[in-house]
Amino acid sequence: DTAVSQTPKYLVTQMGNDKSIKCEQNLGHDTMYWYKQDSKKFLKIMFSYNNKELIINETVPNRFSPKSPDKAHLNLHINSLELGDSAVYFCASSQDLVGYDGYTFGSGTRLTVV
Amino acid sequence: SQQGEEDPQALSIQEGENATMNCSYKTSINNLQWYRQNSGRGLVHLILIRSNEREKHSGRLRVTLDTSKKSSSLLITASRAADTASYFCATKKTGANNLFFGTGTRLTVIP
Repeated sequence: DTAVSQTPKYLVTQMGNDKSIKCEQNLGHDTMYWYKQDSKKFLKIMFSYNNKELIINETVPNRFSPKSPDKAHLNLHINSLELGDSAVYFCASSQDLVGYDGYTFGSGTRLTVV
Repeated sequence: SQQGEEDPQALSIQEGENATMNCSYKTSINNLQWYRQNSGRGLVHLILIRSNEREKHSGRLRVTLDTSKKSSSLLITASRAADTASYFCATKKTGANNLFFGTGTRLTVIP
């Protein structure tokens, strides 16, 4: 039973396309996150939702739009993909905003824009 | 903005040796966490140390925290080939709602 699952695992697409990445957690956690990991392995927070409410919206192009239909799901939609969007995107969850039990990460979605 | 920096960027040791990785950060924190990332996988939470703690142990892991120096260290004792991975420190800044990750240390344990 995968705790945080992301789909797809790999995504190759052309510039200008629109794509979505889905994330689901079965841990009963209240808080979910999207992180972007670049080619140098640096992880940057993009969004955070707590009980379906947007908490964090870092300086991310508005081509990126998160959607949380319920607290177990946090999807990421990307419009008009650009070469610079190529990265690995990780979904994560934590019990709450305090997160004393740490974050549980999905296995990542490797997005390649060509 | 980037909060933590790990040192060294890469570390290669023989199986059985101890591995020490350091993390420095810039602002006051609520807690500091260490994660492991195997190649092509997601991050796995290893250990959390709160700002009022100085040392914590979990199995072969030992974490220290010096808030006056804004630094932490992760010691892995009696390393195994399976410990080969990237290790990241992450800080929960005071008042922040998410973790800020460092740049990672790539550890290679040679059998």
